[in-house]
Amino acid sequence: EIVLTQSPGTLSLSPGDRATLSCRASQSVTSSYLAWYQQKPGQAPRLLIYGASSRATGIPDRFSGSGSGTDFTLTISRLEPEDFAVYYCQQYGSSIRTFGQGTKVEIK
Amino acid sequence: EVQLVESGGGLVQPGRSLRLSCTASGFTFGDYAMSWVRQAPGKGLEWVGFIRSKAYGGTTEYAASVKGRFTISRDDSKSIAYLQMNSLKTDDTAVYSCSRGTMIGQYFQYWGQGTLVTVSS
Repeated sequence: EIVLTQSPGTLSLSPGDRATLSCRASQSVTSSYLAWYQQKPGQAPRLLIYGASSRATGIPDRFSGSGSGTDFTLTISRLEPEDFAVYYCQQYGSSIRTFGQGTKVEIK
Repeated sequence: EVQLVESGGGLVQPGRSLRLSCTASGFTFGDYAMSWVRQAPGKGLEWVGFIRSKAYGGTTEYAASVKGRFTISRDDSKSIAYLQMNSLKTDDTAVYSCSRGTMIGQYFQYWGQGTLVTVSS
């Protein structure tokens, strides 16, 4: 099973700041098969990024993904008030899918 | 519009069984893999497992934490995916959601709102 470790656990930032979230895999993720999700309280997760860097339909371009192998990054270029939420990475390079434990982006 | 609606959750004693259903609409159900994801209260997302479409053999994969206890099945004629949960433990307490992504169940574009399963004596 591929273990995904996200860091930091919590990111305290202000609107307008740049957010950089990390996701590290315990072994190489095949073909950069990594996705990112946003989850707000009481809501289902929302797909942001797939294939490490492709934005899902309707996702603003302030969200971007990068990385390969074992190290992946989600960047939010300028935080909007609606971006404060928990973010999860998920790998699908293995038939056993796994999620990271999440990074909470909170208002400073 | 893709819709996924889970049902069947509730309070169950440790060691007992429960079956959840995920009723889908808005797409050709039989063409897609269907997945289950759970979230314990105040915790993160945990992938439970998925079932491939018949075109890909209809086979299943499971997380180590549920393998041998949980079984995913599907009824394409009714557009329903099932999660049969046996030998339930208190650690299985969570909101269980079904999700649909790509045809081969890679990432998850659509999610249901989930159904709460509480395992307690």
